[in-house]
Amino acid sequence: QSALTQPASVSGSPGQSITISCTGTSSDVGGYNYVSWYQQHPGNAPKLMIYDVTNRPSGVSNRFSGSKSGNTASLTISGLQAEDEADYYCSSYTTSSTVLFGGGTKLTVL
Amino acid sequence: EVQLVQSGAEVKKPGESLKISCKVSGSTFTNYWIGWVRQMPGKGLEWMGIIYPGDSDTRYSPSFQGQVTISADKSITTAYLQWSSLKASDTAMYYCVISQTLYSFDYWGQGTLVPVSS
Repeated sequence: QSALTQPASVSGSPGQSITISCTGTSSDVGGYNYVSWYQQHPGNAPKLMIYDVTNRPSGVSNRFSGSKSGNTASLTISGLQAEDEADYYCSSYTTSSTVLFGGGTKLTVL
Repeated sequence: EVQLVQSGAEVKKPGESLKISCKVSGSTFTNYWIGWVRQMPGKGLEWMGIIYPGDSDTRYSPSFQGQVTISADKSITTAYLQWSSLKASDTAMYYCVISQTLYSFDYWGQGTLVPVSS
């Protein structure tokens, strides 16, 4: 199983919106609405930001939103803030009853 | 609140065995999936496998099947990840995770660093 495909890096200025893509296949992203997104700051454990494609856990800012079209899921962060600078990972359930992560995207807030 | 507390860092040599732990509190242990995620130095996240302590149903990533063993002890609400013979390439941070659904990880442990070097 190959990792889901994410851009290595994205950047944006404070206040702007950015979108991170996560591309898989019909056996994972495209086959289920079970895509999650995680935020990881350096030296810390990851944190769940989005689950089931579009849902935010309690306590996560509504500046974070998720969507999916076909085999590609996306995470959008609006109103970028300095604290959003981190690594972001997507994950998806697969037809093999396993979970695949994406390779990760480093977000830089300029 | 759910808490996952992992065992401390372990410095090991190639060929040695190891079992690291993840103590879960604040939840009904047998109603959740407990998984393990590897992060090699400077690299991304890799899902290793997961166990449902309620019935011991265990799933492994094909990349880790046969390389590690995941287990759980309901009596002390603790999950384990073990190796019978470590390799230098096992050097990584290992996170335990808890999930209500198997596929999204609501809470993460603090991580256990496992350096393997001769």
